[in-house]
Amino acid sequence: DAGITQSPRHKVTETGTPVTLRCHQTENHRYMYWYRQDPGHGLRLIHYSYGVKDTDKGEVSDGYSVSRSKTEDFLLTLESATSSQTSVYFCAISDPRQEPYEQYFGPGTRLTVT
Amino acid sequence: AQSVAQPEDQVNVAEGNPLTVKCTYSVSGNPYLFWYVQYPNRGLQFLLKYITGDNLVKGSYGFEAEFNKSQTSFHLKKPSALVSDSALYFCAVRDPAGNTGKLIFGQGTTLQVKP
Repeated sequence: DAGITQSPRHKVTETGTPVTLRCHQTENHRYMYWYRQDPGHGLRLIHYSYGVKDTDKGEVSDGYSVSRSKTEDFLLTLESATSSQTSVYFCAISDPRQEPYEQYFGPGTRLTVT
Repeated sequence: AQSVAQPEDQVNVAEGNPLTVKCTYSVSGNPYLFWYVQYPNRGLQFLLKYITGDNLVKGSYGFEAEFNKSQTSFHLKKPSALVSDSALYFCAVRDPAGNTGKLIFGQGTTLQVKP
């Protein structure tokens, strides 16, 4: 999985609690992305980062925040988890020096909010 | 708005037969197109990409894809399917706005190859 790890791999949490998911890469790629995967929706972009401390929103960013203080780490935080955020979350990376920046994905985190 | 459509939720083929998984796209400008495969409980794996040039693109595991600009399609093909090809397949197009590399994904197509 291209030097990308995600932690935790599985998490069950209660509604209203904060949750942080971590993505760690060893490829030194500048761009990083967080997606969620839900049946019938494919993958939808939550947030992305184009460098340390440079982040922007994707199409489904409500209820999520991100931080990137180092090239290798991209954190996704659910400030107050809701049942609608039960999903599988994938991190991806790409290198803007190599057109067309194909993305490489981590193994995913399965999050259940009860 | 940019979009990708995979019109079939599931494709069933017999082992040894040719397979096609369909993808159509809507994007302004010249598209960068991708196919990814996802095996159960795994992340997405890159299969192949189209940037420019030859309309037939070859990728991993014997897969290829045909780019058709007039039909705005990028169908995934394989001449002879294997049971091990059974998986979830995603088509994606790179958002041409900016240089962020953002991908827009189709809904996914489950490929079932029966022995």
